[in-house]
Amino acid sequence: AQSVSQHNHHVILSEAASLELGCNYSYGGTVNLFWYVQYPGQHLQLLLKYFSGDPLVKGIKGFEAEFIKSKFSFNLRKPSVQWSDTAEYFCAVGPLTGGGNKLTFGTGTQLKVEL
Amino acid sequence: NAGVMQNPRHLVRRRGQEARLRCSPMKGHSHVYWYRQLPEEGLKFMVYLQKENIIDESGMPKERFSAEFPKEGPSILRIQQVVRGDSAAYFCASSPGQDSYGYTFGSGTRLTVV
Repeated sequence: AQSVSQHNHHVILSEAASLELGCNYSYGGTVNLFWYVQYPGQHLQLLLKYFSGDPLVKGIKGFEAEFIKSKFSFNLRKPSVQWSDTAEYFCAVGPLTGGGNKLTFGTGTQLKVEL
Repeated sequence: NAGVMQNPRHLVRRRGQEARLRCSPMKGHSHVYWYRQLPEEGLKFMVYLQKENIIDESGMPKERFSAEFPKEGPSILRIQQVVRGDSAAYFCASSPGQDSYGYTFGSGTRLTVV
């Protein structure tokens, strides 16, 4: 069975600090990987996704993530966070083949950026 | 170009009542997915539907929960005889095809059972 672990449940940073949110997954096959963001009171939005190719993926709003296959990890990074990045971030995994579009989500990381 | 529309945004039900959650997919999307987010947990897959067909309901509780996606109209997630443990946020997502990852989520329905 697939599982996704997000190590940090709550993160507090000051503006301009660098961000790295951890994500590890467990799955016995090739996967597609996603990071979603949920701003307060809003719906889930796709930040970035990895299907194949370059393991360093660039997303929206200056976010990037690196797929390290040997570590089963897909950590999210941003060099300099802004107050507007305050949100909840979810890592998700889906099988490359089979399983339809069913995604397995981590429990989320609540990020608070202070001025 | 409206996104995935879910209504109501908030729903309060007394124990034993029925809850109906609606999801209208994005225009051109024929695949709908329902997820549930319990407090302090991530989103959990419930069911995957195409028009008039349930494709995968492996995440649906065996009793009281049902889902449909009729030929016309929105997808409906129905919870009969709600209990306090059903209180959660229910998210719907849609995609244009089976192989299109990164589908679009709605804003969710927050169900509170009192």
